[in-house]
Amino acid sequence: AQSVTQPDIHITVSEGASLELRCNYSYGATPYLFWYVQSPGQGLQLLLKYFSGDTLVQGIKGFEAEFKRSQSSFNLRKPSVHWSDAAEYFCAVGDNNAGNMLTFGGGTRLMVKP
Amino acid sequence: DTEVTQTPKHLVMGMTNKKSLKCEQHMGHRAMYWYKQKAKKPPELMFVYSYEKLSINESVPSRFSPECPNSSLLNLHLHALQPEDSALYLCASSQQYQETQYFGPGTRLLVL
Repeated sequence: AQSVTQPDIHITVSEGASLELRCNYSYGATPYLFWYVQSPGQGLQLLLKYFSGDTLVQGIKGFEAEFKRSQSSFNLRKPSVHWSDAAEYFCAVGDNNAGNMLTFGGGTRLMVKP
Repeated sequence: DTEVTQTPKHLVMGMTNKKSLKCEQHMGHRAMYWYKQKAKKPPELMFVYSYEKLSINESVPSRFSPECPNSSLLNLHLHALQPEDSALYLCASSQQYQETQYFGPGTRLLVL
């Protein structure tokens, strides 16, 4: 069965600093990988996704993620964080043998210091 | 346009009430999903509809009853809920069964 681990429950960064959120997955084949962001009390917004091809994926709001098969990782990055980026971030893997059912990681809460 | 709408935004109900949650999308998506999300936890899949037919029920108690009247609309009927059912209920849709899922803003449910 697939699984997703987000090792960092909380991360605090200063506004303007760079950001990297870690995601490790366990899946037998080439996974479909997603990053979603959730502001308090809101739904999930898709930041970016990886299905195949170029392993560096660009998303919305200046985010990017890199798929590294050798490390089973799909880390999310942003060069300069804005206060509005404070939110919960979920990494997810889709099982392309089961209708792309999503398995979510536990989430990382990002706090941004002024 | 990747908008999924959900109503109501908030709902408070007693354990003997019957209520319904509504989800709508006009993107032509043929798969729709219900998730339950407890505080500080990731979403948990409840139901999947594909082409208006229930294709996945993740062993959800019968007090939750989904309905897909047409390809744009998904309902979740609630009856005799328990306080532990209080959560954020999220709807999502995707073009096809195996495509990217887009989420609505959720309905915050409180069961008293």
